[in-house]
Amino acid sequence: DAGVTQSPTHLIKTRGQQVTLRCSPKSGHDTVSWYQQALGQGPQFIFQYYEEEERQRGNFPDRFSGHQFPNYSSELNVNALLLGDSALYLCASSLAGRQILGYTFGSGTRLTVV
Amino acid sequence: SQELEQSPQSLIVQEGKNLTINCTSSKTLYGLYWYKQKYGEGLIFLMMLQKGGEEKSHEKITAKLDEKKQQSSLHITASQPSHAGIYLCGADNSGGSNYKLTFGKGTLLTVNP
Repeated sequence: DAGVTQSPTHLIKTRGQQVTLRCSPKSGHDTVSWYQQALGQGPQFIFQYYEEEERQRGNFPDRFSGHQFPNYSSELNVNALLLGDSALYLCASSLAGRQILGYTFGSGTRLTVV
Repeated sequence: SQELEQSPQSLIVQEGKNLTINCTSSKTLYGLYWYKQKYGEGLIFLMMLQKGGEEKSHEKITAKLDEKKQQSSLHITASQPSHAGIYLCGADNSGGSNYKLTFGKGTLLTVNP
């Protein structure tokens, strides 16, 4: 049973560029959340997608946007990259209404902005 | 101040020793999740606690939730090198209307053979 798949695993971008990260949820899950984890910190919630709509958003600027597709996979887009956007970006999937079963996290995408 | 405080920040133990990691929330806890993370990798779900006084175990790891104190503890018995990693607690502070987890900064556990 495949877990959460994220791509790419590593990425290096230049300040001002745009980046797209991708996530395929665990089989049977319908909800995708995105987190940003800076070095030495816990993950910070960016937003969650359910039924192809953004259901909740954390304290992140509009440069961060996302999308969920009919097959439940999701993309995270970041525009006008800043050095401070360098972090591990984690995708977590879950089944709506069954949070007690936990959120399954992917291995993350390591984004470096130079 | 942090919404979710973990202590200690780091811990070094000898193989075979017991240890406890604490997680305290400044807000009401509706659910508390424990995860383990290897450096730079994804989070591995350990367990989720929802009710006050609830206790769950998985292999040699036991977690408890004290709803009144808004606190959870993670206890590892007879630690092994395979237990090494970063332990993160994540809180649901808003009940059914909330879909995000708020995480602590993590506890780095080193187990020396």
